[in-house]
Amino acid sequence: ILNVEQSPQSLHVQEGDSTNFTCSFPSSNFYALHWYRWETAKSPEALFVMTLNGDEKKKGRISATLNTKEGYSYLYIKGSQPEDSATYLCAFSKGTYKYIFGTGTRLKVLA
Amino acid sequence: NAGVTQTPKFQVLKTGQSMTLQCAQDMNHNSMYWYRQDPGMGLRLIYYSASEGTTDKGEVPNGYNVSRLNKREFSLRLESAAPSQTSVYFCASSDWGTSGNYNEQFFGPGTRLTVL
Repeated sequence: ILNVEQSPQSLHVQEGDSTNFTCSFPSSNFYALHWYRWETAKSPEALFVMTLNGDEKKKGRISATLNTKEGYSYLYIKGSQPEDSATYLCAFSKGTYKYIFGTGTRLKVLA
Repeated sequence: NAGVTQTPKFQVLKTGQSMTLQCAQDMNHNSMYWYRQDPGMGLRLIYYSASEGTTDKGEVPNGYNVSRLNKREFSLRLESAAPSQTSVYFCASSDWGTSGNYNEQFFGPGTRLTVL
């Protein structure tokens, strides 16, 4: 069984703060890593698909980096806003169709 | 364009009852998935269908069966529901990339199932 670990489990930040969280995964046989944003009472929505070591992706104030050799990915949020409050999931695959999801980082941005 | 739809949204069953959760996607995706979400745990894969006509077990398949009825539809059946199957069930679909199935998954709204 593959282990995908996300840290921290939850955090509270003030509006305007920048923050980051970690997704750790097995470094062998890497295929792809996904980041999803999951708002309460909604469905997960994809943020980034990362496939290459050294990948850096950006969408607005949110960005992500990938290190497949050491088995981690960071998600950064610059200047957090209350609407960024959500659970952020990562999902890892060693190949083809099966993705293993982490338990998520629950972010609360305080106004 | 509805994306991924699931029915029903909510269901309460008694132990031993059976039911089928329905999922459909209108994005012409090849792959479809069923996950369950339990408190303190990540989304866990129950079954998946890489393409029309194929299905495979995921991480937690016991107590479930699936049918890929056509490219659009992928149903999940509980033959004899147990309280341990109380969960929120999500269906998802994705398309193949140019060199494999690394593309993001699109999720349905979920079905909240309670087994008494």
